[in-house]
Amino acid sequence: GAVVSQHPSRVICKSGTSVKIECRSLDFQATTMFWYRQFPKQSLMLMATSNEGSKATYEQGVEKDKFLINHASLTLSTLTVTSAHPEDSSFYICSAPRGDTDTQYFGPGTRLTVL
Amino acid sequence: QQQVKQSPQSLIVQKGGISIINCAYENTAFDYFPWYQQFPGKGPALLIAIRPDVSEKKEGRFTISFNKSAKQFSLHIMDSQPGDSATYFCAASSFSGGYNKLIFGAGTRLAVHP
Repeated sequence: GAVVSQHPSRVICKSGTSVKIECRSLDFQATTMFWYRQFPKQSLMLMATSNEGSKATYEQGVEKDKFLINHASLTLSTLTVTSAHPEDSSFYICSAPRGDTDTQYFGPGTRLTVL
Repeated sequence: QQQVKQSPQSLIVQKGGISIINCAYENTAFDYFPWYQQFPGKGPALLIAIRPDVSEKKEGRFTISFNKSAKQFSLHIMDSQPGDSATYFCAASSFSGGYNKLIFGAGTRLAVHP
């Protein structure tokens, strides 16, 4: 099956610093990728849609200037959490649809802890 | 507005039993209904998915039942095993703006006891 990777898998940072998370589709190209946030024992909440070659589309309530998304190529999207604060601590997961199918493949997630 | 409602929140089943998780949706434009399995600290993995033109789909021990008129769908796990213990999410999507955006249910934490 299709594989999506994320890096890093876990990151701990100090409050006020910025953290970059990478999402890669390993065996297929993805013009669109999605970024989710998941708090403990809760569901996945869509944050934004990353579009290759154009600006990301953010869901209502998600701060564009805080969560910077760059879809650098057909296999790479990055999420940068700027000026991170403890409340940004969460599990961040990306996904990518393969080709023109409905199936979305999820990455393994990145655990962000802001001290 | 919660577009996909999932129940129960948690479920305990004995080994060999049947696990049943239910979901209901509101948006009639939804046309793709996947189920995902998630283990702690991992990303969700696609289990099985269905479209509204069929009422049932089976893959191994996993079956989706779909009721279009009632706007409900369910996941049945036959012969449940301790290794099935995980959180299960239903989701729904429709093709809009060039892609499918998944809306997830709240999740069901399944524990299968030996």
